[in-house]
Amino acid sequence: DAKTTQPNSMESNEEEPVHLPCNHSTISGTDYIHWYRQLPSQGPEYVIHGLTSNVNNRMASLAIAEDRKSSTLILHRATLRDAAVYYCILRDVDFGNEKLTFGTGTRLTIIP
Amino acid sequence: DAGVIQSPRHEVTEMGQEVTLRCKPISGHDYLFWYRQTMMRGLELLIYFNNNVPIDDSGMPEDRFSAKMPNASFSTLKIQPSEPRDSAVYFCASRAGTGWYEQYFGPGTRLTVT
Repeated sequence: DAKTTQPNSMESNEEEPVHLPCNHSTISGTDYIHWYRQLPSQGPEYVIHGLTSNVNNRMASLAIAEDRKSSTLILHRATLRDAAVYYCILRDVDFGNEKLTFGTGTRLTIIP
Repeated sequence: DAGVIQSPRHEVTEMGQEVTLRCKPISGHDYLFWYRQTMMRGLELLIYFNNNVPIDDSGMPEDRFSAKMPNASFSTLKIQPSEPRDSAVYFCASRAGTGWYEQYFGPGTRLTVT
């Protein structure tokens, strides 16, 4: 599986935008980029995914670099409830890879 | 929708005892995954099923661990005999089908083996 690299931790002020980076320089053409987050004492939850184009949903936006070697998860207005560990995961859907391989993620702290 | 249901939420047992963790996936989901999370190793996939059939158990740490899915609405993860190093949070997740579909995780079972 292609690997991802994320900062171990980040801090952001409440009600400000947050940009969480992810590097995946060995990404293949059929790898989807998935983001999950894990709130304290909970199981991970899906945030967003994309292949080539930028994506938006009610939780966040995903900006994907033109060469797809990096991506950024954007929380437009962070709240205290967004404090979590955020995981960037690559999955080659087209080749039947059903696994999600979680790395260490980025621990996001929101400052009131 | 009740989501993925796991029981028990907490389990404390003594070394050498048998432990059974249970999972009810979301109705209609074709895939079921068992994960283990520890501080040292993070979140690891142990095994996953598709339509009740085990597909990949390469993450199962050793023969003491076994998982079954007798029907589409129930799965178990059994550890026999349990050891202190098995202490972890065990998550079950389910997914609707192949492709990009998201996984839905349960609340986890915190296992402590003394």
